[in-house]
Amino acid sequence: EIVMTQSPATLSVSPGERATLSCRASQSVAGNLAWYQQKLGQAPRLLINGASTRATGIPARFSGSGSGTEFTLTISSLQSEDFAVYYCQQFNNWPFTFGPGTKLDIK
Amino acid sequence: EVQLVESGGGLVQPGGSLRLSCAASGFTFSSYWMHWVRQAPGKGLVWVSRVNADVKTTDYADSVKGRFTISRDNAKNTLYLQMNGLRAEDTAVYYCVGGSRWYDFDYWGQGTLVTVSS
Repeated sequence: EIVMTQSPATLSVSPGERATLSCRASQSVAGNLAWYQQKLGQAPRLLINGASTRATGIPARFSGSGSGTEFTLTISSLQSEDFAVYYCQQFNNWPFTFGPGTKLDIK
Repeated sequence: EVQLVESGGGLVQPGGSLRLSCAASGFTFSSYWMHWVRQAPGKGLVWVSRVNADVKTTDYADSVKGRFTISRDNAKNTLYLQMNGLRAEDTAVYYCVGGSRWYDFDYWGQGTLVTVSS
């Protein structure tokens, strides 16, 4: 089973600033990585698929990059609605596995 | 509008059973892979089970294999999860998730809470 790790566990950023979240896989997952956003009390929402493709309706301020074992989610200018927990997930090997999440806090 | 509405959660004693349901609308349910993903209180996401469109392929996480059974009724646009031999560690919100490809997790329901406790 591929183990996903995310850093940092918590990131405090001011509105309008850039946020960079990292995700690492224990072995290569090629470009088969997704990012999800989960707000408190809500279901997760797909943000990015295939490491860099935004899902339908996702604003352009969200971007994903990386391949192999190292991935990054960047939010270019944080809006109030972006403060949430972000999870990465690999879908290269079965079973699909999620990272533990990064909580994005308002600074 | 895509909707996935889970039901059937609740409080159950260790060793007991529950059947979760997920009613789908707003997309071609019969063409989609469907999954169950769970989230223990305050914890992260864990994939539980999946079923393909024609029910010929099912998979389970090792932690639930032999205890949980996933199924679907395409005529009723409904996904199910039969959970037997429940343990305290099965306590979680269970999400129903749909994807157009076997690796997609496009649509998520709001979840149903299962609590296993005496």
